[in-house]
Amino acid sequence: GIQVEQSPPDLILQEGANSTLRCNFSDSVNNLQWFHQNPWGQLINLFYIPSGTKQNGRLSATTVATERYSLLYISSSQTTDSGVYFCAVINNNDMRFGAGTRLTVKP
Amino acid sequence: SAVISQKPSRDICQRGTSLTIQCQVDSQVTMMFWYRQQPGQSLTLIATANQGSEATYESGFVIDKFPISRPNLTFSTLTVSNMSPEDSSIYLCSAGQGLNYGYTFGSGTRLTVV
Repeated sequence: GIQVEQSPPDLILQEGANSTLRCNFSDSVNNLQWFHQNPWGQLINLFYIPSGTKQNGRLSATTVATERYSLLYISSSQTTDSGVYFCAVINNNDMRFGAGTRLTVKP
Repeated sequence: SAVISQKPSRDICQRGTSLTIQCQVDSQVTMMFWYRQQPGQSLTLIATANQGSEATYESGFVIDKFPISRPNLTFSTLTVSNMSPEDSSIYLCSAGQGLNYGYTFGSGTRLTVV
């Protein structure tokens, strides 16, 4: 099946810093989503982004489908950004997840 | 996008018993899925819940252990049967309209088996 790799696995930032999270996938996909899992376990959809670039406040994402990767940018990070960020790809009507990037933002 | 109500939100169960988790979607959806998230791990797909027919299970998951129902386009249940401590995980349901739409998740069921 399709493989989804995320990097880095862990990231520690000082509040106010910027970061880039990467997601590589092994095959063509129908769609891609980025999620944030908060400390209570809730998965929050950040972006539905099969291709191109989207922005939502301090977050933006870019997917280059032809090169099989997606990037999530977090600018001016805040402590509330802490948690695990998952990339998930949709292929043949099911969704597969990467291992996630655990982000810790320190005050 | 669809809003999913999942319950129970958490439970502590005795080994050997079974627990049924419910997901109710506020609109008709084409696809519904069930995932397991073991402590500190990513999400693993258990099965696709097919409306009106048997669920499609991923490798390593079997119907006898994780029976799934989907009687209509807005509702599904997952039962964790004959539980052992190794079944302690977060179980999540997901729903979407298919290839060209995003998927949303229920709030999860945190299961502890003692």
